[in-house]
Amino acid sequence: DAKTTQPPSMDCAEGRAANLPCNHSTISGNEYVYWYRQIHSQGPQYIIHGLKNNETNEMASLIITEDRKSSTLILPHATLRDTAVYYCIVTSRNTGKLIFGQGTTLQVKP
Amino acid sequence: SQTIHQWPATLVQPVGSPLSLECTVEGTSNPNLYWYRQAAGRGLQLLFYSVGIGQISSEVPQNLSASRPQDRQFILSSKKLLLSDSGFYLCAWGLGVANSPLHFGNGTRLTVT
Repeated sequence: DAKTTQPPSMDCAEGRAANLPCNHSTISGNEYVYWYRQIHSQGPQYIIHGLKNNETNEMASLIITEDRKSSTLILPHATLRDTAVYYCIVTSRNTGKLIFGQGTTLQVKP
Repeated sequence: SQTIHQWPATLVQPVGSPLSLECTVEGTSNPNLYWYRQAAGRGLQLLFYSVGIGQISSEVPQNLSASRPQDRQFILSSKKLLLSDSGFYLCAWGLGVANSPLHFGNGTRLTVT
């Protein structure tokens, strides 16, 4: 599985967009980029995933660079409830299992 | 819709005692099932995954074992718990393909004393 690199922590003002970067320079052509988040003492929550194209759902947008070596998760209007650890993960093609790194701790401040 | 159940939510066990954590999935057939552990202040570590009944793959050597006696049931066990087994245990299910996310349960917080 390709390895990902994320900043350990970020702050964001409430109501502003939160942009969380992720580097995955060794990603293979058929590997997907997934984003999950984990609020304290809860199980990880799926946010969004993509292969090549940008994706958007009710929670967030995912921007993947043309060379696929990096991506950005965008929370358009961050709220205090978005404070969590955000994980960027590249999948295994064979079993769909996910290998979690250390993630980015996002602190949304009033 | 699919749901995943894990129990118990919290557990305190003495060193040397046995462990059995259960996870069940509803609303889907032949899911891939996963056990993860998160030690205090650490990231999530994949322990076991299963692609079918009786099929278990272990990701790391340890004091734990897993079994899948039924299609939608996944059990994590230990014969004798160690202090280092303390942590947050999470069960997840998925369709086993790269284009489908994993869905996690609410976890069991295990404290070995």
